[in-house]
Amino acid sequence: DSGVTQTPKHLITATGQRVTLRCSPRSGDLSVYWYQQSLDQGLQFLIQYYNGEERAKGNILERFSAQQFPDLHSELNLSSLELGDSALYFCASSPRAVGVNEQFFGPGTRLTVL
Amino acid sequence: AQSVAQPEDQVNVAEGNPLTVKCTYSVSGNPYLFWYVQYPNRGLQFLLKYITGDNLVKGSYGFEAEFNKSQTSFHLKKPSALVSDSALYFCAVSGPRGSNYQLIWGAGTKLIIKP
Repeated sequence: DSGVTQTPKHLITATGQRVTLRCSPRSGDLSVYWYQQSLDQGLQFLIQYYNGEERAKGNILERFSAQQFPDLHSELNLSSLELGDSALYFCASSPRAVGVNEQFFGPGTRLTVL
Repeated sequence: AQSVAQPEDQVNVAEGNPLTVKCTYSVSGNPYLFWYVQYPNRGLQFLLKYITGDNLVKGSYGFEAEFNKSQTSFHLKKPSALVSDSALYFCAVSGPRGSNYQLIWGAGTKLIIKP
C-alpha cells in the first residue's frame, strides 16, 4: 500500500458528461501528479500541483482541469467526455515539488465512457 | 529533447533464469533514472533509482539496474526470475531542472515469466 488513495475505483458514464476524480496524497507529501494510462498511449503525464499551486502541465486537454485543496487532496475534473477518454487515471504524490523524488502511485480510477 | 526508450514491448523468460529489461535514455546533463513496476490492476510501484555514485543500483524484490553512461542505458536485471515478477515495467528519466525534474516515461515492457 503506497498510502495514496483514489476514489472512485471505477466510474462508468456517458459521452458528454462530467466527472470528478479524487486523490489523497501520502501523509506529508505536498506534490500531487495526475496521469492517464490508456492501452494505445501508455502513461501520459497530465498535471502537477504543489502545495495548492499548479507546478507543471503535461498533455492535459482543455476539457480537463485539476486543483489541489488546502488539505492537499486533489481533484481531476473531466468534462464533455468522449469515448477516447476511457482510461485508467492515476494520482501520485511525492514530498517536494522539485528535485529528484520517487513518486508514490495510488491504485487508480478506471473510467469507462459509453 | 529528453527521451527514454524501452525497445522491447515484451520479454519472455523461464523461471529461474536471469532477466534483463532494457532502457536507453537521452537527456542533457546528468540523468536521474527510475524503474517502476505495475502489477495487473494496480498502480505503479517504485523499484529503484539512480542519482549518482555506484553504477549498480539495488532495489526492491531482488531487482538491480546498471547505469552505463557511455551507452546511455539503464537496464533492469534480476539473477533468477520468479513467476511473480510477471508485470509491466516502466523506465523513467528525470527531465532538466527547468522542467521541475518531471519524469519522462518509457512505453513500458511486459515481462512474462514462464514456469
